[in-house]
Amino acid sequence: EAGVTQSPTHLIKTRGQQATLRCSPISGHTSVYWYQQALGLGLQFLLWYDEGEERNRGNFPPRFSGRQFPNYSSELNVNALELEDSALYLCASSLRGTPDSYEQYFGPGTRLTVT
Amino acid sequence: GQQLNQSPQSMFIQEGEDVSMNCTSSSIFNTWLWYKQDPGEGPVLLIALYKAGELTSNGRLTAQFGITRKDSFLNISASIPSDVGIYFCAGIPTSGTYKYIFGTGTRLKVLA
Repeated sequence: EAGVTQSPTHLIKTRGQQATLRCSPISGHTSVYWYQQALGLGLQFLLWYDEGEERNRGNFPPRFSGRQFPNYSSELNVNALELEDSALYLCASSLRGTPDSYEQYFGPGTRLTVT
Repeated sequence: GQQLNQSPQSMFIQEGEDVSMNCTSSSIFNTWLWYKQDPGEGPVLLIALYKAGELTSNGRLTAQFGITRKDSFLNISASIPSDVGIYFCAGIPTSGTYKYIFGTGTRLKVLA
């Protein structure tokens, strides 16, 4: 069974530009989560999508946004990039409505570098 | 953002030794998860815990959901070089927001 996939692996942008990151969940999973992991730090929750809707978001400015498509894949958009947005962006997916639905499975991440 | 307190922050151990790490919070949690992250990769789920007092094993790994529901422990027995990495705990508080909170991580290095 294929795991969570993310693209691109690496992304280099300049300050002020926009970045788009993509995620495909494990087949059958309907929930997708986005996290930011700055170098050497823990994971900060960004967004949670389920069944096409945004269910929750972390303490990030509105220039971090995203969406979930009918096939449950997801996109994270970061507008007006700032240097401190440089980080590893991780996507995770999980089932919903089952006893083990809390278990999140992560993709390999997209390394975003803002210069 | 909110994070769980994880200790120790880092540790160097000899191959074959046992390792213990823990995660604490001031809030009550419904679920505890333990992950391992290798450099440049996403975290891999090791163990999930759902009930206070629950003790679950996965090979050489054993994790426990604290009775107070405010902490969790992970033990690795007979460590090997491939155990190197960063171990994160994650929890879901009882507030019901379905917002996962991650620990600060324990960086483990195993000396052969």
